Amino acid sequence: QSVLTQPPSLSGTPGQRVTISCSGSTSNIGSYLVYWYQHLPGTAPKLLISKNNQRPSGVPDRFSGSKSGTSASLAISGLRSEDEAHYYCAAWDDSLSGQVVFGGGTKLTVL
Amino acid sequence: QVQMVQSGSEEKKVGTSVKVSCKASGYTFNRFGVHWVRQAPGQGLEWMGWISTYNGNTIYAQKVQGRVTMTTDTSTDTAYMELRSLRSDDTAVYYCARGDSSSWPPVHPLFDYWGQGTLVTVSS
Repeated sequence: QSVLTQPPSLSGTPGQRVTISCSGSTSNIGSYLVYWYQHLPGTAPKLLISKNNQRPSGVPDRFSGSKSGTSASLAISGLRSEDEAHYYCAAWDDSLSGQVVFGGGTKLTVL
Repeated sequence: QVQMVQSGSEEKKVGTSVKVSCKASGYTFNRFGVHWVRQAPGQGLEWMGWISTYNGNTIYAQKVQGRVTMTTDTSTDTAYMELRSLRSDDTAVYYCARGDSSSWPPVHPLFDYWGQGTLVTVSS
């Protein structure tokens, strides 16, 4: 059971907009910045969104992040086949002496 | 360019230990901490801990606390993660990742560069 809750799976068609949610609590998302990672099989995860809503250099503007209270979301617009991957949210959690927590991951399928 | 290059795959027996290395290059090693993240087969990403490359401060995930030790060798810009008393559920791909700074606590899980991953297989 992950501290941050994400839907296990999501699907969309090319060109569509999809949103992946990440629900936490006051000890993590409610107090700290949220980060998003894209993970393709056999490769290392890739930083997609930093500090709630900032895109690192090279990340297309089709990807956007937002945060409100104890929840965050990742939106992908203009869905493309290469977006099919697992997506993870992450944040610091200050309970239990502090640690980084990940969401359980969302498998995005592009139909 | 920034690179994090990890050691090769390991096959271990239950109860033994494994030590994975992560050699960094392309940046000033002691300005950025190193995190370790693992992914068991069919599971999600799991954070294991962080080490400050500046002063060696560490913080470990509760799940592996007591079995894990993270160290660095600043003479070779290499970080190490040792996991002891291995169990079958420690079978996973282990990644090192560069953090955003070497200051404690590491409240920003900003992992901008990752190693290629090291598969550790634990069997009985």
